[in-house]
Parts: sequence; C-alpha cells; structure tokens
Amino acid sequence: KAGVTQTPRYLIKTRGQQVTLSCSPISGHRSVSWYQQTPGQGLQFLFEYFSETQRNKGNFPGRFSGRQFSNSRSEMNVSTLELGDSALYLCASSHPGQGVYEQYFGPGTRLTVT
Amino acid sequence: AQSVAQPEDQVNVAEGNPLTVKCTYSVSGNPYLFWYVQYPNRGLQFLLKYITGDNLVKGSYGFEAEFNKSQTSFHLKKPSALVSDSALYFCAVRDYNNDMRFGAGTRLTVKP
Repeated sequence: KAGVTQTPRYLIKTRGQQVTLSCSPISGHRSVSWYQQTPGQGLQFLFEYFSETQRNKGNFPGRFSGRQFSNSRSEMNVSTLELGDSALYLCASSHPGQGVYEQYFGPGTRLTVT
Repeated sequence: AQSVAQPEDQVNVAEGNPLTVKCTYSVSGNPYLFWYVQYPNRGLQFLLKYITGDNLVKGSYGFEAEFNKSQTSFHLKKPSALVSDSALYFCAVRDYNNDMRFGAGTRLTVKP
C-alpha cells in the first residue's frame, strides 16, 4: 500500500499570504489528523477529520482550517500567515475500527514564512 | 488532562549497548500508549503500542516497551543499539477524546 502523501513538500510564503496544504491518506483510511511541529512547541494537534466531518480541534486560532473530501483526502488552510506559522506540518491517517488504532504519518510539508 | 512526559531531551549510548528512552504518562482510565520514531526530514513512524495485556510490548526494528502501571511509565528499550537507531523518539497517549497527545521528544544518539 502506498503511504500517506503530502504536497507540496516545501513551501515559502510571505507574511499575510494564505496557504493550502494537501494530504492523501493511505487507501482505506478514513481518519486524517493534522499536526504542527516546531522546535519550541514540539508536536501540536491541529484537527482531525473523519468522513468529511471535523471530529476534534486543537487550540489554534481560526486562521487554521481544514476540510476532508469524500475520497478522504484532506486539505488544511492557513490564512493571513504569520512568521510564527513557520513549521513542519504533518498529516496522519488511521483506520478507526474496533480497538485502538495507530496513526501513519506523511513526510510533512515544511512551511517557511518570511 | 491526559499527558505524557519524556524527562530526557537527549540520550547518548554506545553502539552495542542497551538503550532506554523514558516516558511517563498521566491519564484517567485505561492508558493507550504509543512510541513513534522520526528520522531527519521525515514524518513519524509507528514503533509499537500498548492497549492491554502483556506489559512487555514488542515492536518494529527490535524495539520493545515495558508498561508499568504502578510507576505510570512506558519506557522504550532495545537490547543492543545500532548507529542507525539515532533519531528523535516520541511517546504518545490517546486521550478520552481520542486525541493523540505527544511528548516533547527525546533525541537518541548512538555512537560507534
């Protein structure tokens, strides 16, 4: 099976712009989660989508949003970029079913805001 | 609130020696615990998980973890470290909202 893919891998944006990141989960996985990873804050949960519905949301401002499509692919959008949004954005997919499930991560999108 | 703590930012071991990366947790109810590894410029890779049952969990690449309920710990171990094990290791707990909460990470360096 192909793994989780994220596009683009690298992105440079200017403060005030907006950006959209894309994630394609492992085939058959219906849950997609997004995380922000920075050296100072570590891994922070942004949101989780399941069957096109946002199931959970972390403690991030409304500038961060996401959505999931019927094929389980997900996008996250950050509007009015700030310098502090520079980070590695990781997407993870999982297959909720019976039991407790692990997540499978993509390689991430490295966003640099200048 | 559910949380995990990794008390060591950095662990250094010599190749061939046993390694331990520490993790303690705080949860209400049954803990669902995970270990992930991150290599440079890569996403996280799942190593192992504890749900219930045997306190010693075996995972990928020869890693294992020991669940200790009385000490609320879930330490990652490997009997003989390899240079290629050098990476960033994350402990995680799945909380009552089914959110995954990660520790701050421990950088493991294995020296030849």
